[in-house]
Amino acid sequence: EVQLVESGGGLVQPGGSLRLSCAASGFTVSSNYMSWVRQAPGKGLEWVSVIYSGGSTYYADSVKGRFTISRDNSKNTLYLQMNSLRAEDTAVYYCARGGWAVADPFDYWGQGTLVTVSS
Amino acid sequence: EIVLTQSPGTLSLSPGERATLSCRASQSVSSSYLAWYQQKPGQAPRLLIYGASSRATGIPDRFSGSGSGTDFTLTISRLEPEDFAVYYCQQYGSSRYTFGQGTKLEIK
Repeated sequence: EVQLVESGGGLVQPGGSLRLSCAASGFTVSSNYMSWVRQAPGKGLEWVSVIYSGGSTYYADSVKGRFTISRDNSKNTLYLQMNSLRAEDTAVYYCARGGWAVADPFDYWGQGTLVTVSS
Repeated sequence: EIVLTQSPGTLSLSPGERATLSCRASQSVSSSYLAWYQQKPGQAPRLLIYGASSRATGIPDRFSGSGSGTDFTLTISRLEPEDFAVYYCQQYGSSRYTFGQGTKLEIK
């Protein structure tokens, strides 16, 4: 059974850093593309970042240069390093599994972890 | 960047009625790259439709997707109480993924 479990969210001050983790089971993170998607309180879904099976990474313009996506194949875990956090980064962050092709949909999602950026 | 615009913002219907949700793209989208998700309060999104018209595993056949180019539609043939939720369309293009702003389907 495919499962994604996020952790690492919490309260952080503006300008601070946080690292989110997404532990995967039931499949290998390196064989699918993996993304982070966020949802600000009461708002819609916003794609944040993707890492493809080959290791290429891409980011939404809103986080480029501040966030870094990575994975640890030995731990079968996806990460999102978030630096220079802003109030507008406050959201529930979901990790989502894509397919083998870059255009495949997000077929499994974690339960989300809440990040609050506030002083 | 392709922008997806969903309409209406809110749709008020009764159980048993038919729901038609629209997703319009700012430029042509490959049908293979268009998906629909359902999200209930406090839950993660769930994949409903991919490739514009293919149902994901376990999705009831009252859900159907159609469209091409810039206009796509999600149809729920007969609403069940558990179908009242927020629905998002999503597309892929040039290593970017974008979502529509969502349509809230509420009980009338």
